[in-house]
Amino acid sequence: NAGVTQTPKFRVLKTGQSMTLLCAQDMNHEYMYWYRQDPGMGLRLIHYSVGEGTTAKGEVPDGYNVSRLKKQNFLLGLESAAPSQTSVYFCASSSAPGTGIDEQFFGPGTRLTVL
Amino acid sequence: AQRVTQPEKLLSVFKGAPVELKCNYSYSGSPELFWYVQYSRQRLQLLLRHISRESIKGFTADLNKGETSFHLKKPFAQEEDSAMYYCALSARGVTGGGNKLTFGTGTQLKVEL
Repeated sequence: NAGVTQTPKFRVLKTGQSMTLLCAQDMNHEYMYWYRQDPGMGLRLIHYSVGEGTTAKGEVPDGYNVSRLKKQNFLLGLESAAPSQTSVYFCASSSAPGTGIDEQFFGPGTRLTVL
Repeated sequence: AQRVTQPEKLLSVFKGAPVELKCNYSYSGSPELFWYVQYSRQRLQLLLRHISRESIKGFTADLNKGETSFHLKKPFAQEEDSAMYYCALSARGVTGGGNKLTFGTGTQLKVEL
């Protein structure tokens, strides 16, 4: 099993450009999450999904959109990138509550630079 | 709203010395707390959770509800323990909230020879 994978690993954008980050998991997890990691800020939740076709806002959702058309995929979009969105983006997935397995499994991260 | 505080950005210890990484939290509900670790150039991975009351790689953490703390401890630091450590709190019990985690800002542990 590959676990949680993220595409791409690195990307450089110019201000105003758009892009989509792809997260895929092969563990049949119901829940998926997008975080950003910034120095001195830890990880902050951008958006999350509790199932196929559902999404919800996290702590820092502005400037991002997400979609979960398939259970195994969770896409994070930047419609008009800004330098403040320069960060490392992590995707994670987990089982639903009540399954006894509450660990979040993380992807390797995507390093995004917006010039 | 929940909050996790890790007061130290960097903790430097010598090999064989005891380690204590501090974590304090604020949460109105019943907390579920975790320690995640990120080794250099690797993804975040779960180290331990308070429910399990287990010891992983020699690390332990006890939930102290009176002091609202979940400090991570190890009696004898090893060089391979050098990593970034994140304390996290789960907002379990919130309807539709999933297993959302609130992370602290992290503590970089450096074990020197």
